Amino acid sequence: DGGITQSPKYLFRKEGQNVTLSCEQNLNHDAMYWYRQDPGQGLRLIYYSQIVNDFQKGDIAEGYSVSREKKESFPLTVTSAQKNPTAFYLCASRPGLARETQYFGPGTRLLVL
Amino acid sequence: AQSVAQPEDQVNVAEGNPLTVKCTYSVSGNPYLFWYVQYPNRGLQFLLKYITGDNLVKGSYGFEAEFNKSQTSFHLKKPSALVSDSALYFCAVRAILTGGGNKLTFGTGTQLKVEL
Repeated sequence: DGGITQSPKYLFRKEGQNVTLSCEQNLNHDAMYWYRQDPGQGLRLIYYSQIVNDFQKGDIAEGYSVSREKKESFPLTVTSAQKNPTAFYLCASRPGLARETQYFGPGTRLLVL
Repeated sequence: AQSVAQPEDQVNVAEGNPLTVKCTYSVSGNPYLFWYVQYPNRGLQFLLKYITGDNLVKGSYGFEAEFNKSQTSFHLKKPSALVSDSALYFCAVRAILTGGGNKLTFGTGTQLKVEL
């Protein structure tokens, strides 16, 4: 987990509400990722960013939005359009080279009230 | 498209016995393969990776993995299991993204339970 922080650890969302999950890294990594983890489904990619001010949709981007204004930060917003947001959300980062390892933050568990 | 299969949802092993967690992959080109471990309500921890070179890769906490190109497998192994090894294990393969860059495609995970 070292070097990547996610907050909060638990987050509760009311119906119709947008919520933002924080991800910060001090590893000077170029690429950052957001994954969603559901039981028995492994991890699925939501969004990724290779450099500042650029990001791309992953496999399940609908109902989510991101920004990458700083190299260290890659916040994820879960919008009201995401009808099934309850999951464990993991942020990861990776140095620039393709063969380099992705490192993960500790995760945020999002629950719906 | 790249894919990873972990055929066992759960593996049970007695402490002190060897353990194997299976992974097979499908990828075009040369595979970059990874193993991660996840403890409850925690993020994923990197164990080891295969990029090129020796087929036997050694990683953290005494784990190793054997890359077999002909069988398209990358099984995780440990000679002597510990109760503390009980966790969820994920195999992953690098996938090239159409917009450039790369991502990891994960298997569905294998729950390892080591019993006394």
